[in-house]
Amino acid sequence: GQQVMQIPQYQHVQEGEDFTTYCNSSTTLSNIQWYKQRPGGHPVFLIQLVKSGEVKKQKRLTFQFGEAKKNSSLHITATQTTDVGTYFCAGRRNSGNTPLVFGKGTRLSVIA
Amino acid sequence: GAVVSQHPSWVICKSGTSVKIECRSLDFQATTMFWYRQFPKQSLMLMATSNEGSKATYEQGVEKDKFLINHASLTLSTLTVTSAHPEDSSFYICSARRLSSYEQYFGPGTRLTVT
Repeated sequence: GQQVMQIPQYQHVQEGEDFTTYCNSSTTLSNIQWYKQRPGGHPVFLIQLVKSGEVKKQKRLTFQFGEAKKNSSLHITATQTTDVGTYFCAGRRNSGNTPLVFGKGTRLSVIA
Repeated sequence: GAVVSQHPSWVICKSGTSVKIECRSLDFQATTMFWYRQFPKQSLMLMATSNEGSKATYEQGVEKDKFLINHASLTLSTLTVTSAHPEDSSFYICSARRLSSYEQYFGPGTRLTVT
């Protein structure tokens, strides 16, 4: 079945440092979504990428979808303590109503 | 908009009993709802996809007779854990998706502890 792999599993950074998490799928994806889950909370939608090679920015967050639509990355510039949480990528193989397959997530800790 | 609620937020039950968890979309109609299970510090594992008015589609390895899902209306889906055992203790999260939208809106989750 479809697998979505995400690395690293954990990342500890000093406040102000950059952070990147990578997501790879075993199959070509129709689209990929990113979610953030704060400790004790539930996943919150961040963004969806659909087009090959697409790059989207949200303030300090930069999301990228690979040319082959099998990998994606999330980069945070100059991390802040509010960035703490687990970042999940989730891919959908086909458009329509197929469910998302979540990666294992990257847990980010930011040391002030 | 796009608020999803879950009830109860936490529940403790004894082995052998059944527990029902409700997932409601409060301000939109959810044609599809998803049920996930999440173990501590781990990812979300999709259990089943629930479409209004039809039978749920279960993921491989998820027992449909143990985890009964009913999506009776466009705003409500229920998950019943039957004959619960301690290994069923987990965080159960639902999400809802409305027609022609790609976003999934997650509920706050239900923490189930089976003693």
